[in-house]
Amino acid sequence: GAGVSQSPSNKVTEKGKDVELRCDPISGHTALYWYRQSLGQGLEFLIYFQGNSAPDKSGLPSDRFSAERTGGSVSTLTIQRTQQEDSAVYLCASSLRQGHTEAFFGQGTRLTVV
Amino acid sequence: GENVEQHPSTLSVQEGDSAVIKCTYSDSASNYFPWYKQELGKRPQLIIDIRSNVGEKKDQRIAVTLNKTAKHFSLHITETQPEDSAVYFCAASNLATGGFKTIFGAGTRLFVKA
Repeated sequence: GAGVSQSPSNKVTEKGKDVELRCDPISGHTALYWYRQSLGQGLEFLIYFQGNSAPDKSGLPSDRFSAERTGGSVSTLTIQRTQQEDSAVYLCASSLRQGHTEAFFGQGTRLTVV
Repeated sequence: GENVEQHPSTLSVQEGDSAVIKCTYSDSASNYFPWYKQELGKRPQLIIDIRSNVGEKKDQRIAVTLNKTAKHFSLHITETQPEDSAVYFCAASNLATGGFKTIFGAGTRLFVKA
C-alpha cells in the first residue's frame, strides 16, 4: 500500500476484555515498531521486529501485552485483560533495514478502555 | 537502558522568532538522530535527521546540530510561522547492528503565536 495502515482506527472495549490491533507496514519494509502514546505524552517504545530476528520486547509494559509479525509483514498487538491505564493511541511504524532509515508511522489506533 | 531526554516540554514563541529544542542521549553507540513533527491529531512525520559523522545539517528554516562528545543534539527553527505549531520529537538510534531501535524523547509542544 501507499503507507502504513492500522486497524481499527478507534476501539472502545470493556475492562477485562482482550483486544487485537493490526498493523500493515509498507511493503518491503523489514523493520516494524509499536509505540504507545498517552494523551499529551511522548512516544513509549513497546516492541521492535527486524526481519526474521527475534523481536525486541523490552518495552512491553506487562505480560498482558504481546505482539506477532507473520511472514515478515503484518503485525498484531494483543492486549489481554485490558485495564483503564491501557487507554492510549497505539502507533505502528515501519522502515527499511539499511539505506532508508526514516520510520513511517500509521495513523494509530485509539484504544479506550471503559 | 537507553534514554533520550528532551527539553523544554512546552515552548511558546512569537511568529518570526527562533525556536530551539534540545535533546541528550545516553547510549554512546547511537549514530542516527531523526526529528519528527506531529501535528494535532496526525501521525508523526520525519522533518530532518542527522548522522553521527556530521555536526550540522540545514534544510531551509530548520537545522540540527550534534555534539557527540556531549551526547547532545538540537533542533533550530528560524523565522517561525503558525504552521510550525506542533509537537516535535527527537530520537536516537544505533544503525550498527543491521537494524535499529529508535528511542524517542518525550516531545516538545511548540506554540507559535501570530
